[in-house]
Amino acid sequence: RKEVEQDPGPFNVPEGATVAFNCTYSNSASQSFFWYRQDCRKEPKLLMSVYSSGNEDGRFTAQLNRASQYISLLIRDSKLSDSATYLCVVNQGPGSNSGYALNFGKGTSLLVTP
Amino acid sequence: GAVVSQHPSWVICKSGTSVKIECRSLDFQATTMFWYRQFPKQSLMLMATSNEGSKATYEQGVEKDKFLINHASLTLSTLTVTSAHPEDSSFYICSAREGPGRGRAYEQYFGPGTRLTVT
Repeated sequence: RKEVEQDPGPFNVPEGATVAFNCTYSNSASQSFFWYRQDCRKEPKLLMSVYSSGNEDGRFTAQLNRASQYISLLIRDSKLSDSATYLCVVNQGPGSNSGYALNFGKGTSLLVTP
Repeated sequence: GAVVSQHPSWVICKSGTSVKIECRSLDFQATTMFWYRQFPKQSLMLMATSNEGSKATYEQGVEKDKFLINHASLTLSTLTVTSAHPEDSSFYICSAREGPGRGRAYEQYFGPGTRLTVT
């Protein structure tokens, strides 16, 4: 089983739509969770951290369910510029030899159309 | 703040040659730097973790004699792909982390990546 699993998509949505991405992770010891955005042939860029209480940043809302080991990202009022691949990212947790290195999901591709 | 640079941004080399990629944290001291590799349509895969002044920790399946990592200072890590082969062609990305005890301990900042093509 992969450590971080995401629906690869692609999600094709019209401008203004609301879209939700889901992610599950396997390491219950993970402590930090993030959503990154990656544009084609570019490096990932941090979109937002994900907190247990849920958090919102403008049109983006992230939620974490530790019991289910499930993370979500909601994008409201989609813009053309939101088109990218969204990566669910989980740290490896304590005890890892890699010092809290990150595990990346394969990403969910989003295309927002006019 | 939290800018990481990589050099070169792309490189084409012949099979059998070695290629060095540099990763620098420009405005912070990176206790830990990570090297990832990404093949087309695949997720980023961690290759190794390096802490300043100590030997890198390699992930399973990554040959440490082939991918030499040096992290000699708090702002610079290098990855050398030795005796490169076409299957080493990939997008190599580094990231840097300030380290425990600091406000952004768990956040990693990524370099722009290096696209390596081995012919």
